[in-house]
Amino acid sequence: DQQVKQNSPSLSVQEGRISILNCDYTNSMFDYFLWYKKYPAEGPTFLISISSIKDKNEDGRFTVFLNKSAKHLSLHIVPSQPGDSAVYFCAAAGGSGGGADGLTFGKGTHLIIQP
Amino acid sequence: GAGVSQSPSNKVTEKGKDVELRCDPISGHTALYWYRQSLGQGLEFLIYFQGNSAPDKSGLPSDRFSAERTGGSVSTLTIQRTQQEDSAVYLCASSPTVSGNTIYFGEGSWLTVV
Repeated sequence: DQQVKQNSPSLSVQEGRISILNCDYTNSMFDYFLWYKKYPAEGPTFLISISSIKDKNEDGRFTVFLNKSAKHLSLHIVPSQPGDSAVYFCAAAGGSGGGADGLTFGKGTHLIIQP
Repeated sequence: GAGVSQSPSNKVTEKGKDVELRCDPISGHTALYWYRQSLGQGLEFLIYFQGNSAPDKSGLPSDRFSAERTGGSVSTLTIQRTQQEDSAVYLCASSPTVSGNTIYFGEGSWLTVV
């Protein structure tokens, strides 16, 4: 039973437009959420996070929104750039399944930025 | 080095053989995690070490998988009698504290069982 779901395996966006990546979770014990970015043949790298006490966190072109009542978060990238093409993993902490203080990951969304 | 280091970066092994994958966490990080990413799948938690405490092995898929962490630093993930379904990228990560929710990944060990 997947506790963190990324329902779009891939997303194609034109360069300069906004990319919106979605993530849903089922475990109400999750209290911290992160996005990781992964290029082929590399390990995931941390991108941005949000605590459950907030509903928005912004860092440059990246903004994460959290809707606790809907158990939904999203990552907005604006404007999208070619270097943003990667797989984006949503992760959550605070529940079980990821080890003590570990993370539970979604399956990832492959973002493709088209010129 | 500054980051999490994993070796080997690539390993091809015959079905039935044992393999060992090594992870050097970031210096000073007390928590160490192993994850696995199979083709088309997300990151699957395998095992977690925190300091000298007994590891959380709840994610290990079978008793063919084991891991140890010596001296609270380097970790080795061992897969015995490998099967083709073990083919995946094995990712190690570390974090500085028990509540270190931001974990830092190595580049992974790509295992192919033929």
